[in-house]
Amino acid sequence: SQTIHQWPATLVQPVGSPLSLECTVEGTSNPNLYWYRQAAGRGLQLLFYSVGIGQISSEVPQNLSASRPQDRQFILSSKKLLLSDSGFYLCAGGGSTTNYGYTFGSGTRLTVV
Amino acid sequence: EDKVVQSPLSLVVHEGDTVTLNCSYEVTNFRSLLWYKQEKKAPTFLFMLTSSGIEKKSGRLSSILDKKELFSILNITATQTGDSAVYLCAVGSYNTDKLIFGTGTRLQVFP
Repeated sequence: SQTIHQWPATLVQPVGSPLSLECTVEGTSNPNLYWYRQAAGRGLQLLFYSVGIGQISSEVPQNLSASRPQDRQFILSSKKLLLSDSGFYLCAGGGSTTNYGYTFGSGTRLTVV
Repeated sequence: EDKVVQSPLSLVVHEGDTVTLNCSYEVTNFRSLLWYKQEKKAPTFLFMLTSSGIEKKSGRLSSILDKKELFSILNITATQTGDSAVYLCAVGSYNTDKLIFGTGTRLQVFP
């Protein structure tokens, strides 16, 4: 079965600082991978998804970027954080074709101060 | 544009009550509908529904899909404080491998 590892669990960063969140996958090869952001009390907003190494699709124009340097590694980055980047970031693997939809990582709560 | 709408946005009940959460959708080339429970961290999978009229059941939770009217309901009977969470509905399409999520229903169960 698929396991998504995501870290760190919490992060407090000043405005203008860089960001790097990493997600790794265990248990499957060539998974579809997704980065979501969830603002407080809101639903999940899809930020990026990847169907393979080096293949990134961006859903929402913003201050963030994503990369997939290896099959089981998905990275979310920013060069300069904004206050509006605060939120709960979730990495997910899988997709609508699987019997369970997505497997989620445990999430990173980012607070930009 | 594909969309998923959940209602109510928020619900407060007492232990022992029965609740019904709603999810309606407009998705091209519908494939599946999924329900997740989210407590403090990552959503956890509850049900996946692909066929109309077939109830999925797990303990006090059950769900059913109506593909003609384009909605699903999630029922929780004899609620407990541990049922307090955000319940997310997501829909998959044959056109894409992405899931489209609703905004969720926040359920609070008080003793």
